[in-house]
Amino acid sequence: QKEVEQNSGPLSVPEGAIASLNCTYSDRVSQSFFWYRQYSGKSPELIMSIYSNGDKEDGRFTAQLNKASQYVSLLIRDSQPSDSATYLCAVRRTGGSYIPTFGRGTSLIVHP
Amino acid sequence: GAVVSQHPSRVICKSGTSVKIECRSLDFQATTMFWYRQFPKKSLMLMATSNEGSKATYEQGVEKDKFLINHASLTLSTLTVTSAHPEDSSFYICSARDSGVSEAFFGQGTRLTVV
Repeated sequence: QKEVEQNSGPLSVPEGAIASLNCTYSDRVSQSFFWYRQYSGKSPELIMSIYSNGDKEDGRFTAQLNKASQYVSLLIRDSQPSDSATYLCAVRRTGGSYIPTFGRGTSLIVHP
Repeated sequence: GAVVSQHPSRVICKSGTSVKIECRSLDFQATTMFWYRQFPKKSLMLMATSNEGSKATYEQGVEKDKFLINHASLTLSTLTVTSAHPEDSSFYICSARDSGVSEAFFGQGTRLTVV
């Protein structure tokens, strides 16, 4: 059974700090990895996708992928109170049904 | 990024009635649509997957006769909750992807309240 594990949190960090969100997955043939942000009462919003081992940076966000360890993470630099949300990790195989498997999400709180 | 528009954003209906939720891809062809349900402070629950022109594939435990999904075109999918009951009250969210793109994008969600 394909699983995606995330610590539910909440992860609390001070404003300006680096927030580190982690995700592990069980399906070794996963090829696509996504991070979504979901504000309370809203739908998820795609913020990062990563497909190759290593780091991918986009503004204050950095996604890190290690397929050997089956581990993907999201770093948020210079965290702002507006980053407070639930972050969902999703993984997907290439081909087949294309159904992404979501983790339960990590709640991030950035306090001033 | 790709835009997925979902309507209505909120709906209140009486028990026993049916409600239709629309999900449109505005700037790409949505070859695959996903429908999710999310209860307060809970994770996303995939209800069904639909490919354009094909019957939807429902997840285990989801009643296909109660949650009717139609994906008749590459830009529109609908979810109809038939004979709604208070326990169907939830946040329903669609997600769409194009066959040439790996990412899936979410609609704004529909908050359904059955009274």
